[in-house]
Amino acid sequence: ETGVTQSPTHLIKTRGQQVTLRCSSQSGHNTVSWYQQALGQGPQFIFQYYREEENGRGNFPPRFSGLQFPNYSSELNVNALELDDSALYLCASSLEGEGDEQFFGPGTRLTVL
Amino acid sequence: AQSVTQLDSHVSVSEGTPVLLRCNYSSSYSPSLFWYVQHPNKGLQLLLKYTSAATLVKGINGFEAEFKKSETSFHLTKPSAHMSDAAEYFCVVSPYDAGNMLTFGGGTRLMVKP
Repeated sequence: ETGVTQSPTHLIKTRGQQVTLRCSSQSGHNTVSWYQQALGQGPQFIFQYYREEENGRGNFPPRFSGLQFPNYSSELNVNALELDDSALYLCASSLEGEGDEQFFGPGTRLTVL
Repeated sequence: AQSVTQLDSHVSVSEGTPVLLRCNYSSSYSPSLFWYVQHPNKGLQLLLKYTSAATLVKGINGFEAEFKKSETSFHLTKPSAHMSDAAEYFCVVSPYDAGNMLTFGGGTRLMVKP
């Protein structure tokens, strides 16, 4: 176990709705990254937050947004859900802004109908 | 830009035989390279990482990988497979020494037959 937790475990939404996924980082970690893993594929980098500011972004549209809180927990928000957003969403925490070993949570499985 | 290609989507071995999972990478920067393992319903776990120290990297559970710059390869090996090694394996590249903003390969599913 890495100490990184995510909630909820599973979620079902309808196309067009909005969703918020949550992540609790490993104690003391100030950097969190979010990844999307579609079925049968490798994870794709969405964005990273360091000390509550976005620190890098992958090839995802603005309807994917995030927040990091002073206690280093974080949220991933997705607006206007599309069917292709169905995936496993992983968060990973690490210690420094330039990165360190990233510790992954078990993920949230999002299904969009 | 960086990318990772895992040459086999599925590999099947018998318990006790060697494992070879192949990975080729492309990176504009001097890369850091990693192998992660993903067991069903569990988070990704780091097996090993290369960060320009030694070209042969030893990881957990008897796995090791060799960085070959001339071949742009970072293949994962294990001398003797165990049933518990059955999982999905990901080769990963990052432009930063400390593993920031990871780029994953498509994954290789390792099956171990008794």
